Amino acid sequence: DTAVSQTPKYLVTQMGNDKSIKCEQNLGHDTMYWYKQDSKKFLKIMFSYNNKELIINETVPNRFSPKSPDKAHLNLHINSLELGDSAVYFCASSRLSGDYEQYFGPGTRLTVT
Amino acid sequence: GESVGLHLPTLSVQEGDNSIINCAYSNSASDYFIWYKQESGKGPQFIIDIRSNMDKRQGQRVTVLLNKTVKHLSLQIAATQPGDSAVYFCAEISNYGGSQGNLIFGKGTKLSVKP
Repeated sequence: DTAVSQTPKYLVTQMGNDKSIKCEQNLGHDTMYWYKQDSKKFLKIMFSYNNKELIINETVPNRFSPKSPDKAHLNLHINSLELGDSAVYFCASSRLSGDYEQYFGPGTRLTVT
Repeated sequence: GESVGLHLPTLSVQEGDNSIINCAYSNSASDYFIWYKQESGKGPQFIIDIRSNMDKRQGQRVTVLLNKTVKHLSLQIAATQPGDSAVYFCAEISNYGGSQGNLIFGKGTKLSVKP
């Protein structure tokens, strides 16, 4: 029973392309997040959504656009991919916006060539 | 398998020994701290948390110590097992401006357990 799932697990694409990563949580949580982990394992939050509304956008380029069709899903769409976008992207969820125990998905490794 | 960043601090311990993983944080206003464990190819997993009004908290085989004077956090793992091998992150809550309630992760320490 996967609590937070992401697809795809691996994504290889060329510069300039547009791609999406999907995330779903079956925990009934109200808040979902997207994190980026670079090659040095540094984890940084990108977005936070509470019940389908954006509440944090940590100076992420506007080529990145999160979309939340319902509170169980938070998808990440990336336009005009650049080499520097290569990283592992993690989706996470928490029960409430102020609940800091976050449950992470398995990650999506994005490689831009 | 997943590659490991060359600059990631590494701690190597013998199975059965105790492990101590350290973390320095920078924001003296942070009032909540969490330790996460990330196994190879997986997402981070919550281990234990501590609020700034405490200096010690114990879980199953893990203890977190908080020293606010020097802004230092440590995670102690008793009787380390091969399954403890992972990258460990400390995270603090930043409540400044638009980052209210935001988790700020530290650099991570790779723990390797030798059988």
